[in-house]
Amino acid sequence: DTGVSQNPRHKITKRGQNVTFRCDPISEHNRLYWYRQTLGQGPEFLTYFQNEAQLEKSRLLSDRFSAERPKGSFSTLEIQRTEQGDSAMYLCASSATGGAPQETQYFGPGTRLLVL
Amino acid sequence: AQTVTQSQPEMSVQEAETVTLSCTYDTSESDYYLFWYKQPPSRQMILVIRQEAYKQQNATENRFSVNFQKAAKSFSLKISDSQLGDAAMYFCAYRLIGGSQGNLIFGKGTKLSVKP
Repeated sequence: DTGVSQNPRHKITKRGQNVTFRCDPISEHNRLYWYRQTLGQGPEFLTYFQNEAQLEKSRLLSDRFSAERPKGSFSTLEIQRTEQGDSAMYLCASSATGGAPQETQYFGPGTRLLVL
Repeated sequence: AQTVTQSQPEMSVQEAETVTLSCTYDTSESDYYLFWYKQPPSRQMILVIRQEAYKQQNATENRFSVNFQKAAKSFSLKISDSQLGDAAMYFCAYRLIGGSQGNLIFGKGTKLSVKP
């Protein structure tokens, strides 16, 4: 049973460049979440998929951010025209459905983004 | 809007001693889950313990237990027989049951240090 994986683990980019992160959830999980965590803060919700449908987006998810989960398996999060304020840890989590144990979210190791 | 507050930015405990981390939350809903997650330095977030709001019995997981006071909207974590490996950031999180909202709402975290 492999956990949630994320790639890359670290990304350094210059302001204005586009970046894309990938998340592979636990295989039997149909829900997938993206969060952003800045230094000294708890994670903040960005968006959420159930299967391939994007069901909820936070107001934090500006127009420069887009997420996809085309076949209901892995997901990508793209940030266009990166800004220094986008520097953060991007966390992915997954869960199943159907009650408390199944709906518990399990987190990946995160992708740390630094925008210069 | 739901909020989660962790009033202790940092806590310290002697190895083998007991420590309690505080968490309060604000919600007008009656059905929800509460979680404690642990995030060791440079490592991924892992679930410590989960509590369903409809259960009166406090959850326990080995050395970890909670004191859930629904009326007071309080959810503290007690760590008994503290070990060096318990040193980490601890996040309290809330999740509404049902509806389209699947995301966790996190507090800002408590940094726990364990002294040998």
